Amino acid sequence: EVQLVQSGAEVKKPGESLKISCKGSGYSFTSNWIGWVRQMPGKGLEWMGIIYPADSDTRYSPSFQGQVTISADKSVSTAYLQWSSLKASDTAIYYCARWLTGTAGRAEYWGQGTLVTVSS
Amino acid sequence: AIQLTQSPSSLSASVGDRVTITCRASQGISSAVAWYQQKPGKAPNLVIYGASNLESGVPSRFSGSGSGTDFTLTISSLQPEDFATYYCQHFNSFPYTFGPGTKVDIK
Repeated sequence: EVQLVQSGAEVKKPGESLKISCKGSGYSFTSNWIGWVRQMPGKGLEWMGIIYPADSDTRYSPSFQGQVTISADKSVSTAYLQWSSLKASDTAIYYCARWLTGTAGRAEYWGQGTLVTVSS
Repeated sequence: AIQLTQSPSSLSASVGDRVTITCRASQGISSAVAWYQQKPGKAPNLVIYGASNLESGVPSRFSGSGSGTDFTLTISSLQPEDFATYYCQHFNSFPYTFGPGTKVDIK
C-alpha cells in the first residue's frame, strides 16, 4: 500500500527557518516524482514544485522559486520542503503528493497535510 | 506558464442533478488534464486523469472529456458525498498549475 506520511503541525515566528517532511512507503521512492502543494487558508491549491529522487532533478513553480527548497533523501525515502526565513504569508497547509508526469500525469497519492502557522 | 480557468466558480445543485464543470487552458495542452475532488479539511482526491480516464475506485457517475484548451468534468447524478470543491490541473509542461476551483454545494 502506497503511503505518504507528513510531519506534524508547526507554529513558527517570522524570520525563523523550517523544514517539513514527507515519508513515502509501499512503492519505489527513487523512481517516482514527489512534490508539494500549498493551500492557504480558505484558498485553492497551488503547485509548488517536485523532485525526482533518483537524480535530484527539481522543478519549481516560478511563484515559489527562490522562496523554498525542495529536497529528498533516498536513504530514508523522505522528501522535504524548507524555508530559510518564514513570513506570515507562508501560513498554509502543505500537502505532499506522488506525481506521474506527462499526458497521463496525475497525483494519485497524497499526504495528510502539514499545517504551518507563522505568527509573531 | 499555462493558466487554467474554471467555470463556474461555484454552483448550487440538488441530489440527482447533472453537473458540468469547465476548465479552459491558456494554450493547447493535448489531453494532459487531471481533476481532483477536495472536501473540507481533507487532501485532494484524484477523480479523472488524461482528460477522460476514471481513476480506480471512483464512481462511474464521474466522467471527463476534452482536449486542446477546453475540458469538462461531468457528474451524471449528483450524490450527497459529491458536494465538494473540484480542481483541474494540467500536466503539459512545468509548472503543473491548478485551476482556481469550483465549489459544488447543496441547493
